[in-house]
Amino acid sequence: DTGVSQNPRHKITKRGQNVTFRCDPISEHNRLYWYRQTLGQGPEFLTYFQNEAQLEKSRLLSDRFSAERPKGSFSTLEIQRTEQGDSAMYLCASSLWDGNQPQHFGDGTRLSIL
Amino acid sequence: AQSVSQHNHHVILSEAASLELGCNYSYGGTVNLFWYVQYPGQHLQLLLKYFSGDPLVKGIKGFEAEFIKSKFSFNLRKPSVQWSDTAEYFCAVNAHSFGNEKLTFGTGTRLTIIP
Repeated sequence: DTGVSQNPRHKITKRGQNVTFRCDPISEHNRLYWYRQTLGQGPEFLTYFQNEAQLEKSRLLSDRFSAERPKGSFSTLEIQRTEQGDSAMYLCASSLWDGNQPQHFGDGTRLSIL
Repeated sequence: AQSVSQHNHHVILSEAASLELGCNYSYGGTVNLFWYVQYPGQHLQLLLKYFSGDPLVKGIKGFEAEFIKSKFSFNLRKPSVQWSDTAEYFCAVNAHSFGNEKLTFGTGTRLTIIP
């Protein structure tokens, strides 16, 4: 399968711990997006990259969140000092730069804060 | 800012019934419109998309949607649903531009098909 890959699938951690998620996009895709989805809601935009450049960050992305895409391939999303409210499904999507192309989503990483 | 409204939160239908799911958006400029589907335990998959041209777009699995600009709507339809259509359906919008912009999603509609 050459789709978007996310690891881990599920992360359980205690409040206050740091967590890091990884996303491997479809290989030829130069745009990479992070979204967050909570129960009963649609995905909400967090941030996106064009190659290695982070082009936009949502106000949902507090200073405890940081995302990187160091070589324009895979991306990581780190959450420091996790809080109960961070419990959610974190989705990664990738696409070509072209505005006429759809975004392709991974399976997501479900974060549970104890 | 963009916003998307999906008025039906949970729809229950019998097999072979016709389906229409509502989607309305709010945005001051030109938009691209999408319907994504999420089957139980699977990732979001693109059902269909509208960028420009014919406002009636056809997608996979017999789904279609009609863009009505004057109503800011992009409703999803299927003439005869199957049990396998049980899933969550999300309408989404992004700004029509050269680059592939962030998506704004609705809250989703859970569709349950009774055999």
